[in-house]
Amino acid sequence: ILNVEQSPQSLHVQEGDSTNFTCSFPSSNFYALHWYRWETAKSPEALFVMTLNGDEKKKGRISATLNTKEGYSYLYIKGSQPEDSATYLCAFKDDYKLSFGAGTTVTVRA
Amino acid sequence: DAGVIQSPRHEVTEMGQEVTLRCKPISGHDYLFWYRQTMMRGLELLIYFNNNVPIDDSGMPEDRFSAKMPNASFSTLKIQPSEPRDSAVYFCASSFGLSYEQYFGPGTRLTVT
Repeated sequence: ILNVEQSPQSLHVQEGDSTNFTCSFPSSNFYALHWYRWETAKSPEALFVMTLNGDEKKKGRISATLNTKEGYSYLYIKGSQPEDSATYLCAFKDDYKLSFGAGTTVTVRA
Repeated sequence: DAGVIQSPRHEVTEMGQEVTLRCKPISGHDYLFWYRQTMMRGLELLIYFNNNVPIDDSGMPEDRFSAKMPNASFSTLKIQPSEPRDSAVYFCASSFGLSYEQYFGPGTRLTVT
């Protein structure tokens, strides 16, 4: 069982504030790191797939960085909006399978 | 494309009954995944297929669970006999390549009473 950890488990952000959270994964046998956004009562949707150390991806106000040598990725939300409220999942892929973390649940307060 | 299609969306059944969940992946995708979401364990990978062949079923809880993919456009997850602890949301996802993003279906909410 691969150890993919996300922290914090949940966080509350005031509208307009920026925030970030972490995904930690094994630093060996790295193939890819996925980020998904999962709104309540919906299905997970892919945000980013990152494959190279030092990768930075951006989609609107959301961005992510990747450090494969130390085994972590950060997801940033700039100027949080209520529609950013969701659970953000990361998933680590080795040469065999994709393993999901438990997620960070973000609640943006208006 | 309509995305990944799952049916039924909701299933309520009694303990001991057979349950069959269905999935149609996105056309052209060569990987299909079955996940289970529970409060206790989050999103768990049950099994995945590549080109209709099961590759890893180590996440299948026990022999009561079985999955098939008879062709590139259809897969089933069967639970026989079902138990109350099988109650969960079951997601199907597909992707083009194992490293690429997965597209999830809407899920099937299973309740076993």
